[in-house]
Amino acid sequence: AQSVTQPDIHITVSEGASLELRCNYSYGATPYLFWYVQSPGQGLQLLLKYFSGDTLVQGIKGFEAEFKRSQSSFNLRKPSVHWSDAAEYFCAVVPRYKLSFGAGTTVTVRA
Amino acid sequence: NAGVTQTPKFQVLKTGQSMTLQCAQDMNHEYMSWYRQDPGMGLRLIHYSVGAGITDQGEVPNGYNVSRSTTEDFPLRLLSAAPSQTSVYFCATYSAGEFYGYTFGSGTRLTVV
Repeated sequence: AQSVTQPDIHITVSEGASLELRCNYSYGATPYLFWYVQSPGQGLQLLLKYFSGDTLVQGIKGFEAEFKRSQSSFNLRKPSVHWSDAAEYFCAVVPRYKLSFGAGTTVTVRA
Repeated sequence: NAGVTQTPKFQVLKTGQSMTLQCAQDMNHEYMSWYRQDPGMGLRLIHYSVGAGITDQGEVPNGYNVSRSTTEDFPLRLLSAAPSQTSVYFCATYSAGEFYGYTFGSGTRLTVV
């Protein structure tokens, strides 16, 4: 069975500091990988996705993610966090049609 | 506006009541699905459909029914609401032609008292 693990439930980061959110997956083959962001009371917005090719993926809002097959990871990074990045972030995989989500990481940004 | 429309946005039910959450899309996507979001558990798949007339169960289907009579609509029915069904519900669509470009609705916040 496939699963998605986000080890960090909550991360607090200072504005202007770098951010890294971890995501590990368990799946028999390389799945399609996604990161979504959800602001309070809002729906989900796609930040970026990985299907194949270059393992460093650029997304919206200055985010990037790196796929590492050897570690079964797809970590999300941002070099300099803005207060508007405070949200919940979800890693997700697609093992055939069905999008499976991690439990999410809540990011708090302090001034 | 093109996209996924969910209604209602908010709903309060009494235990034992039934209701239908509506999901409509105008993008001609083949695949539609329902997720529920609970704190600390991410989003979990309830039911999904790969086309009109075809539905299947996800991770947490108990207490919910779906049908897909048209490409555009995918209603989620709660047969006898329970407090455990208090959650935020999201409808999502996908088209193979867009290569896993999932589109989410804005959600329905349901409270069962």
